[in-house]
Amino acid sequence: GENVEQHPSTLSVQEGDSAVIKCTYSDSASNYFPWYKQELGKGPQLIIDIRSNVGEKKDQRIAVTLNKTAKHFSLHITETQPEDSAVYFCAASIRFKLTGGGNKLTFGTGTQLKVEL
Amino acid sequence: ETGVTQSPTHLIKTRGQQVTLRCSSQSGHNTVSWYQQALGQGPQFIFQYYREEENGRGNFPPRFSGLQFPNYSSELNVNALELDDSALYLCASSSGQPGPYTFGSGTRLTVV
Repeated sequence: GENVEQHPSTLSVQEGDSAVIKCTYSDSASNYFPWYKQELGKGPQLIIDIRSNVGEKKDQRIAVTLNKTAKHFSLHITETQPEDSAVYFCAASIRFKLTGGGNKLTFGTGTQLKVEL
Repeated sequence: ETGVTQSPTHLIKTRGQQVTLRCSSQSGHNTVSWYQQALGQGPQFIFQYYREEENGRGNFPPRFSGLQFPNYSSELNVNALELDDSALYLCASSSGQPGPYTFGSGTRLTVV
C-alpha cells in the first residue's frame, strides 16, 4: 500500500524566516497531495493542495511543489508568524477501487513547527 | 455554509463496550470518510461512504462499522472496545474525488 514519509518531525524557526517541510510517497498512482495544519484540540485544516498534473502552487505565504518523478512534494512557508506554530501533515491520495472513484488519504507522521519571536 | 460537525466531542468508555460516533457532513458534500488519529501520529483511514454504501476500507477489523444516511450524515460504530481504540476519531467530507476533504474537530475516545 501507499507509504508517506515526512521530514523533519520538529522544526523551529525565527519569526520572519522560511520553513520547509518535505514528504515522499511510494505509490506512483497517487494523484492528489494536500497539506493540513492541525492545532491542539482541533481537526486538520486544509491549507493548500496540489494535483498530480501540476508542479507548483502558491497561495500568499504558502507554496507547494511536486516532483512526480522523484515522488516528492514539499511545503514552503515564507515570512513565518507565531500563529503558524502547529503540527503540519502531508498526505497522498490514491484511488482504492477501479470503479466508484473512491479515494483515501495516507498521511505522513507530522511536523511540529514552532515559530519563535 | 456549515462545516463538518462531530458529536460527542469527548467520550469515555469501558473495555468491551460499544460506541457510536456521529458526523454531519459539510453542506453539498456526499462523501464521508472516517479516520483514527492516535496521539502523536497522523490520521489513519478507516473507511469511506458514498451514497450510503461503503466505498473502501482501510486495515481495521470488522468491529469497526459505519453507516451513511440519505442526508449524507454518517455514524461510526465500534464494538468490543479495546484499550488501543483510544484515539481521536475524525470525520471528513468531500463533494468529489480525489478531494479536497474538510475535516471535523473530532471525537476524543478514551477506553479504560
